[in-house]
Amino acid sequence: KAGVTQTPRYLIKTRGQQVTLSCSPISGHRSVSWYQQTPGQGLQFLFEYFSETQRNKGNFPGRFSGRQFSNSRSEMNVSTLELGDSALYLCASSLRRPKDTGELFFGEGSRLTVL
Amino acid sequence: QQPVQSPQAVILREGEDAVINCSSSKALYSVHWYRQKHGEAPVFLMILLKGGEQKGHEKISASFNEKKQQSSLYLTASQLSYSGTYFCGTKGNAGNMLTFGGGTRLMVKP
Repeated sequence: KAGVTQTPRYLIKTRGQQVTLSCSPISGHRSVSWYQQTPGQGLQFLFEYFSETQRNKGNFPGRFSGRQFSNSRSEMNVSTLELGDSALYLCASSLRRPKDTGELFFGEGSRLTVL
Repeated sequence: QQPVQSPQAVILREGEDAVINCSSSKALYSVHWYRQKHGEAPVFLMILLKGGEQKGHEKISASFNEKKQQSSLYLTASQLSYSGTYFCGTKGNAGNMLTFGGGTRLMVKP
């Protein structure tokens, strides 16, 4: 069974640019969550999508957005990049059915460097 | 609000025990534990639901005291493979987002 796939794995951007990250969940998983990981802040929740609808949103500015497609694949976009956006962006998928254990399966992440 | 983990870091010798604590200022529905090894994705360890249950995973177990809004992760007879950063995540109710603590770095030395 293929795991969660994130692309690209590494990218370098400059301030002011925008970036789109992609996440393909495990087959059959309908929930996708995004987290930002930085050395000082740990894992910060960005948003969660289920059935193409945003179900939860973390405390991030509007420059951070996301969407989910009918095949459960998800993308997140960061516009007008700032130096502080440099981080590892992790995507996690889960079944999210009633009685679901709620276990998240993480991808290896997309490491974004903003210069 | 982010749960608080303690200690922030711990160094052990193989065979020693460790306890990692996770506390929240809000009522909790569930506590989730993950381990992340350097350069790898976080991996699920266990979930505890409100009710004060205790769970085990080989030599790693955890407890959840919903009245105190606290959970503890117990690592018994630690092995080198236990090294990594442990994160607790909490949910206020079943539909909430999972909010993680700042992590506890655990290093097990031979």
